[in-house]
Order: sequence, then structure tokens, then C-alpha cells
Amino acid sequence: DAMVIQNPRYQVTQFGKPVTLSCSQTLNHNVMYWYQQKSSQAPKLLFHYYDKDFNNEADTPDNFQSRRPNTSFCFLDIRSPGLGDAAMYLCATSRGGQASNQPQHFGDGTRLSIL
Amino acid sequence: KNQVEQSPQSLIILEGKNCTLQCNYTVSPFSNLRWYKQDTGRGPVSLTIMTFSENTKSNGRYTATLDADTKQSSLHITASQLSDSASYICVVGEYGNKLVFGAGTILRVKS
Repeated sequence: DAMVIQNPRYQVTQFGKPVTLSCSQTLNHNVMYWYQQKSSQAPKLLFHYYDKDFNNEADTPDNFQSRRPNTSFCFLDIRSPGLGDAAMYLCATSRGGQASNQPQHFGDGTRLSIL
Repeated sequence: KNQVEQSPQSLIILEGKNCTLQCNYTVSPFSNLRWYKQDTGRGPVSLTIMTFSENTKSNGRYTATLDADTKQSSLHITASQLSDSASYICVVGEYGNKLVFGAGTILRVKS
């Protein structure tokens, strides 16, 4: 089945130690998104790629970066994780951007814990 | 400011009963309205997407309605099942721009 796969499902890192989360898709969608979701809150968009074009949200901390080496893969890098970065990180894809009427397809997320 | 508000925050119902979740929004200009179901520890799954010209859309036991004049939407769940226990998120698309997420309604179906 075509899908969005996130690895790992659970990630534990130390305060200040860089961590990378990965996302892959078999849907061949041109847009990929990274969201941060804290407990009982709505997902918050960090950034997205429209094809190769990177779009950063204005309030996304500089500590968060992303790479998309090809259509299928996208990575979220957190350079120096702080305790406030503990959250579920969701990857999503869509055909066409947020302004389109196409649904987003989400992975099951990576739950990040900071020690 | 573009906002999406959902009510109630949480809801408990008995298996087999119907329920209705509400979504009010101030997003303008409007493009579309989406309902997602998010099981605990999983990613959201799309239930319905409605554009301005659509006022109802169904997906199995889920029926979403949209009143673009009053900027309200509802999600009706018929004959609830234990597997319906989840968070239901309303998302409104701003025309030509972004998606605005509601905080969700947590539904618990009891046997």
C-alpha cells in the first residue's frame, strides 16, 4: 500500500545532542510537511517542501532544519534539542500545496523524548 | 485572526449512540474544510474535505456538514463503535494560503 513511513517511531536523545528524524513516502506526492504536535494540541506546521522549494514558517526556531534529497525522502534535523522540543513529530504529504483541495496523508509520527 | 474552534473539548458516549462534533471558524477567505480522525499515538487520517460549494459529505458512518454563511461545520457519527474513540480535528484552508488547525475533540466510546 502507498503510504508515509516515519522512522523511528520513538526517539530518545540527550539535551543538546543533535537528532534526525526521517520520513519516506511511496505516494509520489510533490509536497512534504513536518509538523510538531504536543500533547492535546493541534499539529503545528514547522516547514514544508513544495517540490524542491523549502518553505519555513516564520515562528519555527532556527534549531529546526530540514532536508529533502529526493521526492521520496524528507528529514527533520534538530541541532540542539531542548526540553521544550519533546513532542510528536508528524510528516505529511499531499499532491499540491496547502492551498489545494487535496488531502494530506500523515505518517504515524516519531515521538521524541529529551533526557 | 484566522481561528478554528472545536466543541466540545471532549465527549463520552455509549457504543451504538450517535454524536455530533462542532467546528466554528473565522478563516477568510475560505477554501476548504477538512475533518481528520487521529487515533492515540497515530497520525491523522482524512475523513472528508468540503469546498465552498459543498454542504454535506459522507464517509461511511461519518457525515460532515458545512454552512459557509455562518462559518460552521459539524461531524456526525452514526451508530458509534469502540474504534471511533479518537481525536477529531477540524482543519480549514485559507484560500491561496495555509491550513488552520483546530485543537480537536476527544471522543471516547464506552461499551
